[in-house]
Amino acid sequence: NAGVTQTPKFQVLKTGQSMTLQCAQDMNHEYMSWYRQDPGMGLRLIHYSVGAGITDQGEVPNGYNVSRSTTEDFPLRLLSAAPSQTSVYFCASSRGTGGSYEQYFGPGTRLTVT
Amino acid sequence: AQTVTQSQPEMSVQEAETVTLSCTYDTSESNYYLFWYKQPPSRQMILVIRQEAYKQQNATENRFSVNFQKAAKSFSLKISDSQLGDTAMYFCAFMQGGSEKLVFGKGTKLTVNP
Repeated sequence: NAGVTQTPKFQVLKTGQSMTLQCAQDMNHEYMSWYRQDPGMGLRLIHYSVGAGITDQGEVPNGYNVSRSTTEDFPLRLLSAAPSQTSVYFCASSRGTGGSYEQYFGPGTRLTVT
Repeated sequence: AQTVTQSQPEMSVQEAETVTLSCTYDTSESNYYLFWYKQPPSRQMILVIRQEAYKQQNATENRFSVNFQKAAKSFSLKISDSQLGDTAMYFCAFMQGGSEKLVFGKGTKLTVNP
């Protein structure tokens, strides 16, 4: 049982480049989400999904795109990277309905946009 | 919108002593959950303790306990017998019942000194 996995662990992009941050969970969780962590800001919700085929925006969605075609995977796409997207990105999952509301976090991806 | 405030950016404590981290939140909801997460230098987010708003009894987990004051909207974390491994960022977080979306405070950096 690997829990929540994220790839890559580190990434450097140039302004304007695109990339996808991968997130997968093997706990059959309904709910998955993406957060970003900036210095002095805590974690902020970018996008979330309550199940396959269902996604919605969080607090800071601009510049990011998500889709959820399977229960296990929830990739985060940066279409045209900007320096303001330099951050640490965390994926999380939880059981959803009937669960304990405990969110399980991946190890994070540190992204630098130059 | 809910907000979470952690008024202590940094704290330090001597090994084996007790320390209390403060958290206040603002909500008009009656059904919600409160959490403390620990983030050591490894960056991994670890759930420390959870409190359901409908429960009057304060949650405890070994050396960790909370003081939940619902009317004052206060949710402090007490760490007893502090250990060097407790050195980490601590985040207070709020979740509206049924939403699965976490709202985080900005964090408190705790250093345990030998």
